[in-house]
Amino acid sequence: AQSVTQPDIHITVSEGASLELRCNYSYGATPYLFWYVQSPGQGLQLLLKYFSGDTLVQGIKGFEAEFKRSQSSFNLRKPSVHWSDAAEYFCAVGFSGGYNKLIFGAGTRLAVHP
Amino acid sequence: ETGVTQSPTHLIKTRGQQVTLRCSSQSGHNTVSWYQQALGQGPQFIFQYYREEENGRGNFPPRFSGLQFPNYSSELNVNALELDDSALYLCASSRGRTSQETQYFGPGTRLLVL
Repeated sequence: AQSVTQPDIHITVSEGASLELRCNYSYGATPYLFWYVQSPGQGLQLLLKYFSGDTLVQGIKGFEAEFKRSQSSFNLRKPSVHWSDAAEYFCAVGFSGGYNKLIFGAGTRLAVHP
Repeated sequence: ETGVTQSPTHLIKTRGQQVTLRCSSQSGHNTVSWYQQALGQGPQFIFQYYREEENGRGNFPPRFSGLQFPNYSSELNVNALELDDSALYLCASSRGRTSQETQYFGPGTRLLVL
């Protein structure tokens, strides 16, 4: 069965520091992978997605993610975190069973210290 | 371009009651998906509607039902509410029903069942 694991429930970084959020997936075929961000009181905003091709994908707000098939991972990175990046981040895999279903991880809550 | 909107923003119901949540999809989108996000968890797929028909369903009982209208807006109905139905309900629209279509999420409706 498809599943997504985000090992870190909560991460705290200092403003200006680099960030890496981990995501591991279980899927029988080439996955469609997504990272979404959720700020308090708001819906999910797409940061970036991977379908095929170059394994390093660029997203909005300076985020990037790298697909590593051998490790079944799709980690999200940002070289320098801003206070406004504090939010909850969700990794998701797209289900290819004929309808558009996303399977989400449990999320990683990011706190940013000034 | 108008994004995905949901109403109401908050709702309080008692056990056994019925509730209807509404979603207006983004312009040009013909597919709507509904997700339930319990506190501290990632969203879970409830079902998807494509051109007014249910196109896929997650692991939710039949008391969760939906509708999609000709203008592609949608409703989520939950009968016989249980305490565990307390959650944030998210609606997402997309241009099509395949996993390659990006889902755009609304801000959600927060339901509290007492």
